[in-house]
Amino acid sequence: AQKVTQAQTEISVVEKEDVTLDCVYETRDTTYYLFWYKQPPSGELVFLIRRNSFDEQNEISGRYSWNFQKSTSSFNFTITASQVVDSAVYFCALSEQSFGNEKLTFGTGTRLTIIP
Amino acid sequence: NAGVMQNPRHLVRRRGQEARLRCSPMKGHSHVYWYRQLPEEGLKFMVYLQKENIIDESGMPKERFSAEFPKEGPSILRIQQVVRGDSAAYFCASSPTSFRHEQYFGPGTRLTVT
Repeated sequence: AQKVTQAQTEISVVEKEDVTLDCVYETRDTTYYLFWYKQPPSGELVFLIRRNSFDEQNEISGRYSWNFQKSTSSFNFTITASQVVDSAVYFCALSEQSFGNEKLTFGTGTRLTIIP
Repeated sequence: NAGVMQNPRHLVRRRGQEARLRCSPMKGHSHVYWYRQLPEEGLKFMVYLQKENIIDESGMPKERFSAEFPKEGPSILRIQQVVRGDSAAYFCASSPTSFRHEQYFGPGTRLTVT
């Protein structure tokens, strides 16, 4: 069975500091996808990134970067020069390919607070 | 191109009443997933539907909960005889097809049972 662990329940950093959110996953499949979502106080889910298991290249998008390491089953997310608007709950998620069923398994989330 | 629509956004029900949550997928999407987020928790998969078919309902409670996605109209998640423990945010996501791992989430329906 698939599982996603986000061990950090809450993190607080001062604005402009860098912060890394950890995500560790478990799966028996060789083909799978990993995701990060942001949930701001307004409650909607904002898609941030999707990465498939065959692509281990790290990705950078502005102040956001992601480090995918298959050897340690981790998909960590770093925010550089954090801003108050980054305050939100961040979820890591995993989907496997099972006869077209791509249901997502979410971690429990990390609540990030940026202190001005 | 409108996104995934969910209504109502907020729903208050008394214990024992029925709750109906609607999800209109993006245009051209024929796959719908429902997830539940209990307070201070992550999202949990409930059910996966394609038009007129329930594909996977392994995450749905066996009693009082049902889901449908008719040929015409929105997908409906129905909760009968609601209890306080049903209070949660319910999200639906739609996908155009399989094998693409793309799910577009709606804004969610926040159900409060009093």
